[in-house]
Amino acid sequence: DGGITQSPKYLFRKEGQNVTLSCEQNLNHDAMYWYRQDPGQGLRLIYYSQIVNDFQKGDIAEGYSVSREKKESFPLTVTSAQKNPTAFYLCASSISGLGDNEQFFGPGTRLTVL
Amino acid sequence: AQSVTQPDIHITVSEGASLELRCNYSYGATPYLFWYVQSPGQGLQLLLKYFSGDTLVQGIKGFEAEFKRSQSSFNLRKPSVHWSDAAEYFCAVGSIKAAGNKLTFGGGTRVLVKP
Repeated sequence: DGGITQSPKYLFRKEGQNVTLSCEQNLNHDAMYWYRQDPGQGLRLIYYSQIVNDFQKGDIAEGYSVSREKKESFPLTVTSAQKNPTAFYLCASSISGLGDNEQFFGPGTRLTVL
Repeated sequence: AQSVTQPDIHITVSEGASLELRCNYSYGATPYLFWYVQSPGQGLQLLLKYFSGDTLVQGIKGFEAEFKRSQSSFNLRKPSVHWSDAAEYFCAVGSIKAAGNKLTFGGGTRVLVKP
């Protein structure tokens, strides 16, 4: 089955530690995205990538980093510089980086900082 | 900058009753509009989308939405709600001018279904 996988489903981190969230897609999509979801705030864009080896900051990129070395993978690192990292993180992909393309979402990773 | 407002944070509806979720957007040109649904702890699933053409759009699970340019609205409707429709619903707007297919999401409306 084609789709987007995110791992792990739940992640716990101590303050001051970096942590990497995995996102893999087998849809052969060019574009991939990372969103953060907090209660009552909808989804906010962290980073996006339109093509391999290229990515841009979204609205709330501070304290996060990404890489796009392979078309199917777009890992997100939450660094210790992110002041309030506890949230639900969603990865998405679309066929291309054009505005009329549907974004497909993964099941999400819930990160809790202890 | 584009923005999306979903005025209702929570809506409670009886099973079998009709449902309407409001969505207002702000954007200077013709937007691309989407409605997504999210079950608790899950990712988002696309219900329907509007790009152009007929302003009444049919989606999955019996949902429809109507684009009204004069009101900058894209309200979601379902004639008869099922208990399985209890979820959170998000309206989103995209733009052909926005590099990278960026979507702006509303804050969401949580729907509770009473038996």
